[in-house]
Amino acid sequence: QVQLKESGPGLVQPSQTLSLTCTVSGFSLTSYNVHWVRQPPGKGLEWMGRMRYNGDTSYNSALKSRLSISRDTSKNQVFLKMNSLQTDDTGTYYCTRFTTEAPHYFDYWGQGVMVTVSS
Amino acid sequence: DIVMTQSPFSLAVSEGEMVTINCKSSQSLLSSGNQKNYLAWYQQKPGQSPKLLIYYASTRQSGVPDRFIGSGSGTDFTLTISDVQAEDLADYYCLQHYSYPYTFGAGTKLELK
Repeated sequence: QVQLKESGPGLVQPSQTLSLTCTVSGFSLTSYNVHWVRQPPGKGLEWMGRMRYNGDTSYNSALKSRLSISRDTSKNQVFLKMNSLQTDDTGTYYCTRFTTEAPHYFDYWGQGVMVTVSS
Repeated sequence: DIVMTQSPFSLAVSEGEMVTINCKSSQSLLSSGNQKNYLAWYQQKPGQSPKLLIYYASTRQSGVPDRFIGSGSGTDFTLTISDVQAEDLADYYCLQHYSYPYTFGAGTKLELK
């Protein structure tokens, strides 16, 4: 069955780089798009960026200078790297699958990984 | 970037009531190619990942109760929940996927009165 699972450090120091991994199963990264969405504690959802099935990427303009999304199709993994972390980057980070054929929507989500930025 | 203005921020309701959540986009989400509005509604319960309720503004996802109704086109959209049940108490978000960057509304918290 389709699954996505985020992993990474729970605590990151300010100014450091966050590295997260989304490991997927039940589908191919060359057939579906995978997006990253984050949520500060008690706040709303923010779209961060996406890895397209063909390897193209798109980013939230507010994060673009700090954010990089890549993948390893042989390992079924999508990676998020974001540098110069600040305390307001604290939150839950989700990876989610977006359908490539109509109808279009986020159909599966990971459970999320909580990241705290603190010294 | 397309700005999604969602209202209200919170709603206090009793079971059995009907509620309406609004979402307005700063530009049209209607695709001229297929006449679909690229607007979805998600429900998020505490400690859980978001769950798709409605896509293309008005199509209910399989398994979603028919008390959830999406409507609207262009720039103005509405999620109506008729006969609210205790299990519907959650946060609700609209999402536009018409153009990058995708953007969510700020969310609406549905609480028990």
